[in-house]
Amino acid sequence: EVQLVESGGGLVEPGGSLRLSCVASGFTFSAFDMAWVRQAPGKGLEWVSYISGGSVTKTYAASVRGRFTISRDNAKNSLFLQMNSLRAEDTAVYYCAREIGYDANANYNTYFDSWGHGTLVTVSS
Amino acid sequence: QSVLTQPPSVSGAPGQRVTISCTGGSSNLGADYDVSWYQHLPGTAPKLLIFGNTYRPSGVPDRFSGSKSGASASLAITGLQPEDEADYYCQSSDSRLNGDVVFGGGTRLTVL
Repeated sequence: EVQLVESGGGLVEPGGSLRLSCVASGFTFSAFDMAWVRQAPGKGLEWVSYISGGSVTKTYAASVRGRFTISRDNAKNSLFLQMNSLRAEDTAVYYCAREIGYDANANYNTYFDSWGHGTLVTVSS
Repeated sequence: QSVLTQPPSVSGAPGQRVTISCTGGSSNLGADYDVSWYQHLPGTAPKLLIFGNTYRPSGVPDRFSGSKSGASASLAITGLQPEDEADYYCQSSDSRLNGDVVFGGGTRLTVL
């Protein structure tokens, strides 16, 4: 059974940093692309960042680019999100998700077939 | 303002059929990107319901079905059950964002 367990959330002051972790089990972690998705209070889901299986490709939403860094340690089946210069608008539940990509209609499409339960990040003074 | 537009809420009585729409534009659904759908209950992990416009992962009841036409997509739920009460999100990709993932704003389904 695929399991994704996030940790590392908490309360941090504006301008501070936090590192989220996600430990995966039940599948060959290195063979899959991964992503972080967040949900701010009362808002919908927002894609945050993506990393390919071998860490060659990393992408970020415009709202976090230059402040957040995604990484992974395939030997430890772990995904990370280093969050710096945090803002109040970064307050959200952060989910790690396994991403499946495929080609169709001349496009590269993706979806998330497994998700963790999330970890809450609160940015407040 | 989400790239994909969903109605904020829909409702239906047990046993009824409801549909949730997802409207995009020429750079996402209209550009032939596929759509996926997720069910999310607060405090839990989102669950994949539909991928590739119409495909159900194993374990998802056939009461859930997806369709897509042009820049619009729909999720249909038949035989509505109380446990279907949740938030539903559509998701695709957008060429104006270099193929990055985009979500709809979400639709709250209430089972009356």
